[in-house]
Amino acid sequence: GEDVEQSLFLSVREGDSSVINCTYTDSSSTYLYWYKQEPGAGLQLLTYIFSNMDMKQDQRLTVLLNKKDKHLSLRIADTQTGDSAIYFCAESHLDGGYNKLIFGAGTRLAVHP
Amino acid sequence: DAGVIQSPRHEVTEMGQEVTLRCKPISGHNSLFWYRQTMMRGLELLIYFNNNVPIDDSGMPEDRFSAKMPNASFSTLKIQPSEPRDSAVYFCASSFAVTAPMNTEAFFGQGTRLTVV
Repeated sequence: GEDVEQSLFLSVREGDSSVINCTYTDSSSTYLYWYKQEPGAGLQLLTYIFSNMDMKQDQRLTVLLNKKDKHLSLRIADTQTGDSAIYFCAESHLDGGYNKLIFGAGTRLAVHP
Repeated sequence: DAGVIQSPRHEVTEMGQEVTLRCKPISGHNSLFWYRQTMMRGLELLIYFNNNVPIDDSGMPEDRFSAKMPNASFSTLKIQPSEPRDSAVYFCASSFAVTAPMNTEAFFGQGTRLTVV
């Protein structure tokens, strides 16, 4: 089956690191994604990782992938108030020959002073 | 390209009325997705199309919901009759999907906030 799970809320202090976790079930997923949704807007792609990688770094963002445990995480270093948003984990799943994106429910990140 | 365009941005309707949400995907994209977002259930995939053909509608909650894609540049999601529990933000997304495991970024519209009273 296809299922992506993530915790619903995370609260961090400005300047600290945030770690958002996600688990997925489809071991054949070839790409895993993090999307960001700011208030009143649609989702936008933040970063992605190919399944043969275990880490990807992009400025303040670090994605870690543990394929054995089907666990994905997003670390945001030096978290700022502008990082307050909902973060969605997603896996790419082949269905009927086409790629289908399955999203988690989203983790609401609140950054406080 | 202007991105994925959804209309209306906000819709308030009375219970029992028909509601039609509209989506224009990005030109050249061949996959279109309809999602529903609520506080209780997060983001749920309702239905998706490839090359205008519905591939998977298992997420459509009830027969009151229907979706069409008459051509590559337009899709509708219809709720008839609407109920208060249908209140949510409905997102349309499009992507260029290929029949192979490749990177598939989905581009989302701004969403339609539906309130059924």
